[in-house]
Amino acid sequence: KAGVTQTPRYLIKTRGQQVTLSCSPISGHRSVSWYQQTPGQGLQFLFEYFSETQRNKGNFPGRFSGRQFSNSRSEMNVSTLELGDSALYLCASSLDRSNMNTEAFFGQGTRLTVV
Amino acid sequence: SQELEQSPQSLIVQEGKNLTINCTSSKTLYGLYWYKQKYGEGLIFLMMLQKGGEEKSHEKITAKLDEKKQQSSLHITASQPSHAGIYLCGADKTGTASKLTFGTGTRLQVTL
Repeated sequence: KAGVTQTPRYLIKTRGQQVTLSCSPISGHRSVSWYQQTPGQGLQFLFEYFSETQRNKGNFPGRFSGRQFSNSRSEMNVSTLELGDSALYLCASSLDRSNMNTEAFFGQGTRLTVV
Repeated sequence: SQELEQSPQSLIVQEGKNLTINCTSSKTLYGLYWYKQKYGEGLIFLMMLQKGGEEKSHEKITAKLDEKKQQSSLHITASQPSHAGIYLCGADKTGTASKLTFGTGTRLQVTL
């Protein structure tokens, strides 16, 4: 069974540009969550999508957005990039069974560098 | 203040020694997740604990969740160089594993 796949693995962008990152969850998983990891702030939750709807949202500015497609694949977009957006972006997928904790599996991440 | 405290922040142990990493929450949790991360890479799922008093083991790693579901420990027996990395605990406060709050991590080095 394939794991969570994130593309691309590495990305270099210029300030002011926008970027789109992709995440393909484990087959059958309908919940996809996005996280940002930086040395200063650690691992922080961005947002979560379930059945093509944003279900949870973290404390990030509106420049960070996402969407989910009918096949559960998800994309996140960052507009008007700032130097501080340089980070490892991770996505996680889970099965999401009602009233039961489920395991959350992470992808390898996309390393974004803003110059 | 950090909702999830992890200790120690870093650890250097000699190969073959045992070690313990702790994770404490200020609130009762639906679940507690343990992950391992190699620098700059994704998180590798280790274990998930959801019941008070639960204990799980995989190979040489054992994780426990206390009865109040606010404190967890990760114990590695007879450490090996392959255990080196960053260990992260993640708290599930929604019951769906979709919005985890992470501790600051414990960097483990294993010396020969």
